[in-house]
Amino acid sequence: DGGITQSPKYLFRKEGQNVTLSCEQNLNHDAMYWYRQDPGQGLRLIYYSQIVNDFQKGDIAEGYSVSREKKESFPLTVTSAQKNPTAFYLCASSGQGAITQPQHFGDGTRLSIL
Amino acid sequence: DQQVKQNSPSLSVQEGRISILNCDYTNSMFDYFLWYKKYPAEGPTFLISISSIKDKNEDGRFTVFLNKSAKHLSLHIVPSQPGDSAVYFCAASAHYGGSQGNLIFGKGTKLSVKP
Repeated sequence: DGGITQSPKYLFRKEGQNVTLSCEQNLNHDAMYWYRQDPGQGLRLIYYSQIVNDFQKGDIAEGYSVSREKKESFPLTVTSAQKNPTAFYLCASSGQGAITQPQHFGDGTRLSIL
Repeated sequence: DQQVKQNSPSLSVQEGRISILNCDYTNSMFDYFLWYKKYPAEGPTFLISISSIKDKNEDGRFTVFLNKSAKHLSLHIVPSQPGDSAVYFCAASAHYGGSQGNLIFGKGTKLSVKP
């Protein structure tokens, strides 16, 4: 089945540690996105990539980094510079074209600080 | 400054009745609007969308209405079912510049459908 796979589902980080969240899609989508959701809040865009080897900062990119070496993969690293990393992280992808395409989401990774 | 607002954090309706979820936006450049449904600890699931060239789009029990002059859209669910109980997010996108396809989300409305 085509879809978006995020791993792990739960992740714990120690203070001062970098962690990497995985996102893989087999939908052949060009664009991929990372969002953060906090309790009672909507989704906020961290980074997005519309094509391989290119990515752009979203609204809350500070303390995060990404790479897009393959079309299928868009890993997110939460660095020690991110002072409030506890949140639910969602990865999405969408096709590109003349008409805007809906984004499809993975099931998320919940990151907590030890 | 919130560009997409869902002013009702929660809504409770009886099974079989209509659920109406509302969303307001401020950016007149938005030209594509979506509704997502989300269960706890899962990713949002795309429900229905509408382009700004339309004022209504229907898919089964779900209908989205767009009022561009009021910068308002609504999602109607008829009839409501207990399985519809979830958080519903409104999202908007503008088809311009390098941010084409990026979505701006509202904070969500939690719908509870009671048997």
